[in-house]
Formats: sequence, C-alpha cells, structure tokens
Amino acid sequence: GEDVEQSLFLSVREGDSSVINCTYTDSSSTYLYWYKQEPGAGLQLLTYIFSNMDMKQDQRLTVLLNKKDKHLSLRIADTQTGDSAIYFCAEREDTDKLIFGTGTRLQVFP
Amino acid sequence: EAGVTQSPTHLIKTRGQQATLRCSPISGHTSVYWYQQALGLGLQFLLWYDEGEERNRGNFPPRFSGRQFPNYSSELNVNALELEDSALYLCASSWVTENIQYFGAGTRLSVL
Repeated sequence: GEDVEQSLFLSVREGDSSVINCTYTDSSSTYLYWYKQEPGAGLQLLTYIFSNMDMKQDQRLTVLLNKKDKHLSLRIADTQTGDSAIYFCAEREDTDKLIFGTGTRLQVFP
Repeated sequence: EAGVTQSPTHLIKTRGQQATLRCSPISGHTSVYWYQQALGLGLQFLLWYDEGEERNRGNFPPRFSGRQFPNYSSELNVNALELEDSALYLCASSWVTENIQYFGAGTRLSVL
C-alpha cells in the first residue's frame, strides 16, 4: 500500500542547516513535493522534483532523491526562525491525488 | 493573481447537521481537490473534480460529497455531521496537465 513516512520533530539552531527526511513506497510516483504549513495556515508549495532527477536546488532549498531507496530529503541552508513550521513531503499517484507524509515539525531556536 | 480562496474560515456545527464548504480555484485552473487534515490522521485525499466531473474519490463515506460549477469553483458538502468530522478542510487547484497543486488556507470545521 501507499505510505509516506517522516520523522516527527527536528530542532536546529538558527544559522545551521536543517535536513528533513522522507521515505515513500510507490515506485511509480512521478513527482515528489515538499510543502510547508505554518500554524493555522494552509499548505505552501516549497519545491518539487521529477522522479528522473537526483537533485534540485532552489535558493536555500536542496532536494535530494534516491529512487533506489525511495528516500527524499529537503535541506534548508542557513535556517531562520521564520522557517519554523511543519514540513510535509508528498508523492503524486497516477490518479492525481497526493499522498502526504505525517509531517515534520521544525523548530528553530536562537 | 489571487490564490485559492476558501470560505468560510471557520464553521461550527452540531452533530447531525450539514456543512457546506466553498472553494475558488486560481484563475485558469480547471481541477479542484479536497483534503481533510484531522488531528492524528494527517492529510487525506477526499475528492478530485475536473471540468465539472468527479474524477476520483478517497476512502470516505458517501455523506461526503461535492460538486464543481461551470466557473470551476467547488463545494464540499458533509451531511449528518459526526464529531470526528472536525478537521481542517483544504482545497487545492491545478491545471490538469501541470502536476502541481496549490492550496488555500482551509476551512476549520468544528462539530460539537
């Protein structure tokens, strides 16, 4: 069955790098996404990667995809307090629905 | 350009009542998706509409239904509300060929 797993919490010091990990099970997933959710808000698309790519960089964000291990990671460089939020990875099924992970709560402390 | 808009922001109902949630997609988007984010259950896919038709449905009972209007806006209806329907309901839209879903801020439904 479909299942996307993430660790629940991550705590980092301001200025350090954050790495949020995700494992997925559907090898046919064509796109994988990272969304950010701040308290009381909806989901903000951060970045996405196509399954034939290994890496994608967008300013402070770097996404790494290991298809063999079905592992996706999001690295945030120079983490700021404004980055504190819940981060969701998601995979897209052929039927177009997104399957979300449980979310990782990132806490950034001074 | 306006993003995905949802109304109302908050909705309080009692058990057995019906709730109607509304969503306006980004201009030009023809697909609308509904997700439920319930405490402890994560984000779960509810419904997908495209060009006025229901294209896919998640594992939810029939009392969850909806429709998409000619202007591509959408309604989610929840009948015979139960306490466990309390959740944040998120709407997303996309061009059907773009593979990216953009989300609204959600409607928080509280069932008392």
